[in-house]
Amino acid sequence: SAVISQKPSRDICQRGTSLTIQCQVDSQVTMMFWYRQQPGQSLTLIATANQGSEATYESGFVIDKFPISRPNLTFSTLTVSNMSPEDSSIYLCSVDATGSSGYTFGSGTRLTVV
Amino acid sequence: GENVEQHPSTLSVQEGDSAVIKCTYSDSASNYFPWYKQELGKRPQLIIDIRSNVGEKKDQRIAVTLNKTAKHFSLHITETQPEDSAVYFCAAIRMDSSYKLIFGSGTRLLVRP
Repeated sequence: SAVISQKPSRDICQRGTSLTIQCQVDSQVTMMFWYRQQPGQSLTLIATANQGSEATYESGFVIDKFPISRPNLTFSTLTVSNMSPEDSSIYLCSVDATGSSGYTFGSGTRLTVV
Repeated sequence: GENVEQHPSTLSVQEGDSAVIKCTYSDSASNYFPWYKQELGKRPQLIIDIRSNVGEKKDQRIAVTLNKTAKHFSLHITETQPEDSAVYFCAAIRMDSSYKLIFGSGTRLLVRP
């Protein structure tokens, strides 16, 4: 399965600022997915990022708040913009490098907004 | 879109006993159903999965069953051990369409020594 390097692993940010999270995959993948996991909760899909096209956002998530870049088949970034304490969460990227099954997750970014 | 419901939210068992976690899904076109284990502070790890053309799959102490007609699937852990304590998530996906992994709400399993 694919190996994903995600950074930063954690950050504490001031409200009103933005944070960009990066995911680097060790193989080329068509789709990358970004999830949010609030404390003690399940994983909620934010958006699907395909190389060469705009990301597709799930209900409740908008591009202005969570802009995503996908410049090539091994890399993606998620920005959390104009942060508020409600954005405090763990953000994870995920890929399916096999093309058939076994979605793999990055190690996550624990974001605290103060 | 797909909706996955998972029960129970918490499960406490004695070491050596079996644990069963159940999920239902709404989209009859979903065709792949993975289960993830997430230990505290770590990423979700795939532990077993099943495709829609299979009714049951087993891997040592872990098994998954799928009932397509009823749109539900279950995780069975036998001879539980303290290291099985974690949060378990079921998920469903349409591998020929959206490829979006939709998760259940999670089950916190505690195995008492």
